[in-house]
Amino acid sequence: GAVVSQHPSRVICKSGTSVKIECRSLDFQATTMFWYRQFPKQSLMLMATSNEGSKATYEQGVEKDKFLINHASLTLSTLTVTSAHPEDSSFYICSARGGGPEAFFGQGTRLTVV
Amino acid sequence: GNSVTQMEGPVTLSEEAFLTINCTYTATGYPSLFWYVQYPGEGLQLLLKATKADDKGSNKGFEATYRKETTSFHLEKGSVQVSDSAVYFCALSEGQGGGSYIPTFGRGTSLIVHP
Repeated sequence: GAVVSQHPSRVICKSGTSVKIECRSLDFQATTMFWYRQFPKQSLMLMATSNEGSKATYEQGVEKDKFLINHASLTLSTLTVTSAHPEDSSFYICSARGGGPEAFFGQGTRLTVV
Repeated sequence: GNSVTQMEGPVTLSEEAFLTINCTYTATGYPSLFWYVQYPGEGLQLLLKATKADDKGSNKGFEATYRKETTSFHLEKGSVQVSDSAVYFCALSEGQGGGSYIPTFGRGTSLIVHP
């Protein structure tokens, strides 16, 4: 199956700093990428959808200036958490779609803000 | 809008027991249906899929049949193993090819298998 690589898998940062998470589709071109935040007890919250070369579409309640998404190429999207605070600590997951209906997921990034 | 409803967990079973995790959906068109599995500390992995009515998706002993008449896509396995312990997500997606067809996920069902 298609492979999506997400990096880093874990990151600890100080409050007030910024963190960048990368999501790469390794063996297919990702026309659309999705960023999720996963809360305790499993539920996935869609944060934004991005198409290559255009601005991301953010879900209601997600701050665009705080969660910067760049989908610069058909194989790479990045999520930057700016001025991170402890309440931003969470598990962030990206997924990507190519030519089919299914989405393939990265391994996730555990962000801890101290 | 689209939605996916799956049974609340956790589901706790003994090894070699039969597994069913129920999933029903509502959709405006003709969606593709999926089951994803998430092991602790990892992202989601596509387990199986079905793209049209009456299709059966299967993988690693798991299977699910796309039932349009009951709008269901229940996940089953005849004999579970301890290594199947994970969270299972039912999902749907409409549209083929590129475009912002956003997948819709259920809330996930935790499966715990005891030796």
